[in-house]
Amino acid sequence: AQTVTQSQPEMSVQEAETVTLSCTYDTSENNYYLFWYKQPPSRQMILVIRQEAYKQQNATENRFSVNFQKAAKSFSLKISDSQLGDTAMYFCAFMKPQGGKLIFGQGTELSVKP
Amino acid sequence: DAGVIQSPRHEVTEMGQEVTLRCKPISGHNSLFWYRQTMMRGLELLIYFNNNVPIDDSGMPEDRFSAKMPNASFSTLKIQPSEPRDSAVYFCASSSLAGRGETQYFGPGTRLLVL
Repeated sequence: AQTVTQSQPEMSVQEAETVTLSCTYDTSENNYYLFWYKQPPSRQMILVIRQEAYKQQNATENRFSVNFQKAAKSFSLKISDSQLGDTAMYFCAFMKPQGGKLIFGQGTELSVKP
Repeated sequence: DAGVIQSPRHEVTEMGQEVTLRCKPISGHNSLFWYRQTMMRGLELLIYFNNNVPIDDSGMPEDRFSAKMPNASFSTLKIQPSEPRDSAVYFCASSSLAGRGETQYFGPGTRLLVL
């Protein structure tokens, strides 16, 4: 069975600095999909970034980028120029190649301090 | 365009009562997912539908839970009878037909408290 592990329950960063959130996963699949979702205090789940395992190039979305290391089964999220609005829970998630359910990690609570 | 719509946003009920949660997916999406979020278990899938047909209901806790999708624009999750351990945030999400890692878009969630 696939598992997703986020080893950092809480992190904090100063406004305008860079922070990296860690995620590892376990799977025997070769092609799959990885996601980072953000959950602010409103509890809305918001997609941050998506990565297809067959693509070697790391995904980027404005200030958000990932470091995808397929062999190491690692999928970290880097947030550059952190903003107060980035304060939220961040969830890493795995999806099998045939689609279907998302398997979530436990989450990392990020606080951006002024 | 409207996102995924869920109702009610908050529900407080007493143990033993029936609870019905509702979801309207994004127009044009063919897959619909019900997730539950608790402190103890995190985010977990309860059930999902493709083209209104249940595909994976392995996450449904027990017979007290049931879900239906009578048409492409509406789904319900029913708990009968409810118990305090059902207290959680229930999310509905939708995507284009699940099969190629399509992004799932989440609704705002329903916060359920069973007393």
